[in-house]
Amino acid sequence: TQLLEQSPQFLSIQEGENLTVYCNSSSVFSSLQWYRQEPGEGPVLLVTVVTGGEVKKLKRLTFQFGDARKDSSLHITAAQPGDTGLYLCAGAAGSNYQLIWGAGTKLIIKP
Amino acid sequence: NAGVTQTPKFQVLKTGQSMTLQCAQDMNHEYMSWYRQDPGMGLRLIHYSVGAGITDQGEVPNGYNVSRSTTEDFPLRLLSAAPSQTSVYFCASSPDLPPRYEQYFGPGTRLTVT
Repeated sequence: TQLLEQSPQFLSIQEGENLTVYCNSSSVFSSLQWYRQEPGEGPVLLVTVVTGGEVKKLKRLTFQFGDARKDSSLHITAAQPGDTGLYLCAGAAGSNYQLIWGAGTKLIIKP
Repeated sequence: NAGVTQTPKFQVLKTGQSMTLQCAQDMNHEYMSWYRQDPGMGLRLIHYSVGAGITDQGEVPNGYNVSRSTTEDFPLRLLSAAPSQTSVYFCASSPDLPPRYEQYFGPGTRLTVT
């Protein structure tokens, strides 16, 4: 059974601090996606990484796909209250239509 | 574009009642899915469709039916509601085949079964 474990489950930090959240598995994925979900809304896609070792930057957010394509990280620089939300990772394996979802990291940025 | 729309936003059912959750997308996406989200469990796939007339079961299909008569619409039917179906339901569409398969989500339906 493929699993994606996200850590930490919960993180509360002050505005301006840096943070990293992780998405780990023992399985290899063809691609890995990160989403952010705000209360009462659906998840919104942030990025997709497909190549081992790939690094993508989205303003203050940096996403990395592990060399072996089994793990990924999301680093936020100088966090802002607008970054608050539930961060979800999802992995795709080959041509399977069933994405594997992590349980999420709930992030709170305090002003 | 409205993207993915879902109705209703909130619903309360009594055990044994049936209802249909509506989902529509105006992006001409071929692939559509229904998920449920429960605290601490991430998103679980209920049913999905790879095109009009073609549907398949996901991880947790029991108690739910779907149909896809058009590209735009993908309703989810609860045949006889049970308290275990209390959850938040999300419809999603994708323009891509796996593995890219990026999901565009609707705003969700919060369902409570008493």
